[in-house]
Amino acid sequence: SQELEQSPQSLIVQEGKNLTINCTSSKTLYGLYWYKQKYGEGLIFLMMLQKGGEEKSHEKITAKLDEKKQQSSLHITASQPSHAGIYLCGAAQGGSEKLVFGKGTKLTVNP
Amino acid sequence: DTEVTQTPKHLVMGMTNKKSLKCEQHMGHRAMYWYKQKAKKPPELMFVYSYEKLSINESVPSRFSPECPNSSLLNLHLHALQPEDSALYLCASSPLKAGTQQPQHFGDGTRLSIL
Repeated sequence: SQELEQSPQSLIVQEGKNLTINCTSSKTLYGLYWYKQKYGEGLIFLMMLQKGGEEKSHEKITAKLDEKKQQSSLHITASQPSHAGIYLCGAAQGGSEKLVFGKGTKLTVNP
Repeated sequence: DTEVTQTPKHLVMGMTNKKSLKCEQHMGHRAMYWYKQKAKKPPELMFVYSYEKLSINESVPSRFSPECPNSSLLNLHLHALQPEDSALYLCASSPLKAGTQQPQHFGDGTRLSIL
């Protein structure tokens, strides 16, 4: 079965700093999703990447997909306390409707 | 605000109780999902419904019984649960478009505690 490895597991940054979270898949990626979760709440959809080399941005968050490396990165520019939470990458297993997730990266942004 | 609504937000039940979790979406999505999430773990898929038919059951114990009465509603019936079933239960929905992947949109979840 497909596994997603995220790094780092946790990250503490000062407000205003840039940061990057990585997600590496053990198998071919048919689509890569990034979600954000606050503790005890639902997942908020951030972005979906489908094609190799694809890059998407939303406000200060940019995600890229390297299909050959089976890897995606999420970059936050000029972080703010509102960016704090758990970031999860997800991938459709075998192109099916089954979504598997990485273990998440816990981001803390200190004011 | 999420467009997938889950009720109740919190539920405490005994091991002999019968209860149901409810999920509703009005985005016209034809795929709906149940996930279970334990503390500090990622969500794990339980069931998938496509066009109101059960398409994926991830070997979930029979004490969890899903139901999809129509394209907007998804229920999860609970009976004789165990303490280890305490978790956050998340519902999600997505469009179904042949040949393309579509993002899943999640509700805020039901926090379930089994006494």
